[in-house]
Amino acid sequence: KAGVTQTPRYLIKTRGQQVTLSCSPISGHRSVSWYQQTPGQGLQFLFEYFSETQRNKGNFPGRFSGRQFSNSRSEMNVSTLELGDSALYLCASSLGLAGGPDEQYFGPGTRLTVT
Amino acid sequence: AQKVTQAQTEISVVEKEDVTLDCVYETRDTTYYLFWYKQPPSGELVFLIRRNSFDEQNEISGRYSWNFQKSTSSFNFTITASQVVDSAVYFCALSEAWSGGSNYKLTFGKGTLLTVNP
Repeated sequence: KAGVTQTPRYLIKTRGQQVTLSCSPISGHRSVSWYQQTPGQGLQFLFEYFSETQRNKGNFPGRFSGRQFSNSRSEMNVSTLELGDSALYLCASSLGLAGGPDEQYFGPGTRLTVT
Repeated sequence: AQKVTQAQTEISVVEKEDVTLDCVYETRDTTYYLFWYKQPPSGELVFLIRRNSFDEQNEISGRYSWNFQKSTSSFNFTITASQVVDSAVYFCALSEAWSGGSNYKLTFGKGTLLTVNP
């Protein structure tokens, strides 16, 4: 079974630009979550999608947005990039079962550098 | 608000030593879930275990074991006979049963960097 894939793996952008990151979950998984990892703040939850609906959102500004497609693939977008957005962006997929969070399987991440 | 504290920033051991990684959590919920993840140098988080708040049984999986104590809000992780391949950052995480509509929001600790020297 293929794991979670994220594209691109590395990205360099300039302040003010926007960026779109992509995540393909494990086949059969309907929940996709996004996390930002930085040395200072650690791992922080961005949002979670299930069946094309955002179910939960972390404390990030509106510049961070996402969406999920009918095949469960997800994208996240960051507009008007700031230097502080430089981070490893991790995507996690899970079955999305009700009654409790099942195991989340993480992708290798996209390393975003903003200059 | 939920919080996870991993007081040990870095631990260094010699191969074959046992090592325990501490995790203390805070939550007001009675139903919650605890996780441990491993992040090797490659960067990909690897799921290790999930435990719900109603299951206080300790668990052993090979060289790994977990001790869950609700009385002290701790969920500690022990590696027995450590190996060089165990070198990684280990994260403890918490998910409350209901957080804004779903329960897939994980709050992570800052992580513990474990270095196992040969």
